[in-house]
Amino acid sequence: GNSVTQMEGPVTLSEEAFLTINCTYTATGYPSLFWYVQYPGEGLQLLLKATKADDKGSNKGFEATYRKETTSFHLEKGSVQVSDSAVYFCALRTDNAGNMLTFGGGTRLMVKP
Amino acid sequence: GAGVSQSPRYKVAKRGQDVALRCDPISGHVSLFWYQQALGQGPEFLTYFQNEAQLDKSGLPSDRFFAERPEGSVSTLKIQRTQQEDSAVYLCASSLTGRRYEQYFGPGTRLTVT
Repeated sequence: GNSVTQMEGPVTLSEEAFLTINCTYTATGYPSLFWYVQYPGEGLQLLLKATKADDKGSNKGFEATYRKETTSFHLEKGSVQVSDSAVYFCALRTDNAGNMLTFGGGTRLMVKP
Repeated sequence: GAGVSQSPRYKVAKRGQDVALRCDPISGHVSLFWYQQALGQGPEFLTYFQNEAQLDKSGLPSDRFFAERPEGSVSTLKIQRTQQEDSAVYLCASSLTGRRYEQYFGPGTRLTVT
C-alpha cells in the first residue's frame, strides 16, 4: 500500500534560518506528491505539489523536488519567518488508489524571533 | 467565495451516544472526502463521494461509521454508539472532479468522547 514518512518534530528554528523537513514515501503506482500546511486554528491548505519525477513545486519561498530514485520529497525554505510556524504534512496520491490522499504524521515547525 | 464549512466545530459525546457531523462543500465541487485526524497524527482517509455516489468507503473503521450525501452537496458523517477511540478531528474536503484538482479542506469537527 501507500505510506508517507516524515521527520518528527517539533523543529525549532530562529528567524532567517534554513529549513528542511524530510519526507519519504512508498507507493504502489506512480504518485503525485504534496505538502500541506496547517496554521494554528486553521484548516489544511495546499502549499505545493509535484506530479512527476524531477518536478519542483514551489510557493511562498518553500520548495520541494520530486526525487523518484530516492522516493523523497523534502521541503526546504532558505529563510524562515515567525509566520511560517505551523504543522506541515507531506502527502501522496496514486492513480490506483482513487483520489484519496495518504498523509505523513506531520512536522510541527516553531520559528522564534 | 465561501470555502468548505463544517459543523459543529466541537462536539462532546458520552460513550454510547450517536453523533452526526455535517460538511458543506464548495459550491459546484463534485468530489467530497472525509478524513479522520487523531491527535498528533496525519489525516487518514475514511470515505469518498462523487456527487451522491459513495465510491470508496474502505477507510471507515467499523460499521458504526456511516456517511451519506443524498443530493450530491451536503454530506453527513454519522457515528453510532461512540467509543473513546473515536475521539479525533474529522476533516471534510471537496474538489472538482478529476485527480488533477486540489482538495480544499474544511476546519474540521473536533469530537471528544467521554
